[in-house]
Amino acid sequence: DSGVTQTPKHLITATGQRVTLRCSPRSGDLSVYWYQQSLDQGLQFLIQYYNGEERAKGNILERFSAQQFPDLHSELNLSSLELGDSALYFCASSVSLQGASPLHFGNGTRLTVT
Amino acid sequence: GDSVTQMEGPVTLSEEAFLTINCTYTATGYPSLFWYVQYPGEGLQLLLKATKADDKGSNKGFEATYRKETTSFHLEKGSVQVSDSAVYFCALSGVTGGGNKLTFGTGTQLKVEL
Repeated sequence: DSGVTQTPKHLITATGQRVTLRCSPRSGDLSVYWYQQSLDQGLQFLIQYYNGEERAKGNILERFSAQQFPDLHSELNLSSLELGDSALYFCASSVSLQGASPLHFGNGTRLTVT
Repeated sequence: GDSVTQMEGPVTLSEEAFLTINCTYTATGYPSLFWYVQYPGEGLQLLLKATKADDKGSNKGFEATYRKETTSFHLEKGSVQVSDSAVYFCALSGVTGGGNKLTFGTGTQLKVEL
């Protein structure tokens, strides 16, 4: 058990809808990362927060947004969903911003857009 | 930008065979290097890491050495077991702006048969 909790585990929704994915980091970790895993794109970095502030942005679509709250949990909001957004979304956390600090991953939220 | 290249899978081995999964990287500076493993239905788990040139990371019989001269971090295990069947990801940690993130390879699926 990595200590990172993601909810829900599965989400099935229709095109055009909006969903929210939730992540609770490991106790003591200040940094939260969101990744998208799909068969054709592999693991793509979306965004990183550290202690409530956005720190790095990757291939995140404008339809997607995220935030990290004062209690350090994070939410990823996906709107105007398209079929191509179907993927596994992982949250990870780490204790610091140092490159050597490993990421600890949750078990993911599987999003299916129909 | 940073990138990681892994050998394509699937790799199919008999139990007790020797395993090598090749990984090479492109990065500026001196990144930390990681191997993660993903079992079916689970998130990624840190397998091992190395933070500087010539470091050897090891865990559960797996080893990888940070080779700066060849920009490689190949994963090896002397005798694989059926329970090692999983997808293995090579990754590097890069600093970007005010944050840090992991860049992953495409993953290599390992199947170990009796």
